[in-house]
Amino acid sequence: AQSVTQPDIHITVSEGASLELRCNYSYGATPYLFWYVQSPGQGLQLLLKYFSGDTLVQGIKGFEAEFKRSQSSFNLRKPSVHWSDAAEYFCAVALSGGYQKVTFGIGTKLQVIP
Amino acid sequence: GAVVSQHPSRVICKSGTSVKIECRSLDFQATTMFWYRQFPKQSLMLMATSNEGSKATYEQGVEKDKFLINHASLTLSTLTVTSAHPEDSSFYICSAPRTAPTNYGYTFGSGTRLTVV
Repeated sequence: AQSVTQPDIHITVSEGASLELRCNYSYGATPYLFWYVQSPGQGLQLLLKYFSGDTLVQGIKGFEAEFKRSQSSFNLRKPSVHWSDAAEYFCAVALSGGYQKVTFGIGTKLQVIP
Repeated sequence: GAVVSQHPSRVICKSGTSVKIECRSLDFQATTMFWYRQFPKQSLMLMATSNEGSKATYEQGVEKDKFLINHASLTLSTLTVTSAHPEDSSFYICSAPRTAPTNYGYTFGSGTRLTVV
């Protein structure tokens, strides 16, 4: 069964600083990979997704993620964090092909300080 | 494209009553709908998978008689929490995959905050 590991439960960064949120997955083949953001009390918003092709994926709000097959990683990055980026970020995987369930990581809570 | 509308966004109910949560795919046909539950400060846990016109598939440990799922049409799936108790208070989110004609991946509803008092 696929699994997702987000090793950092809580990260604090200063506004304007760069950000990298880590995500590792466990699965024999290349799954579909996602990053979602959740503001308090809200649903999930898709930041970006990787299905195939270019391993550097651009998303909304200035986020990007890089798929590294050799490391089974899909880390999320942003060059300059804004206070509005404070939220919970979930990495997720799904088996490719057909309608497969999504498995989520435990989430990383991002705090942005002035 | 690929919008899933979930209602209600918040609901408070008395212990012992039932609550129905609806998820509608607005601009595509959702033959499959995933239902997740999120406990405070935790990740989303898959409860069940519903498929249009057939019985839902429940994950291990999820009571199917407690959480009734109906997927009667290609655009509507419902989750009914029956005889709700305070421990059922949680955040419930639905998700539908859309892979044709464009692969949007998985679209999530905005979630329902259920509070049982």
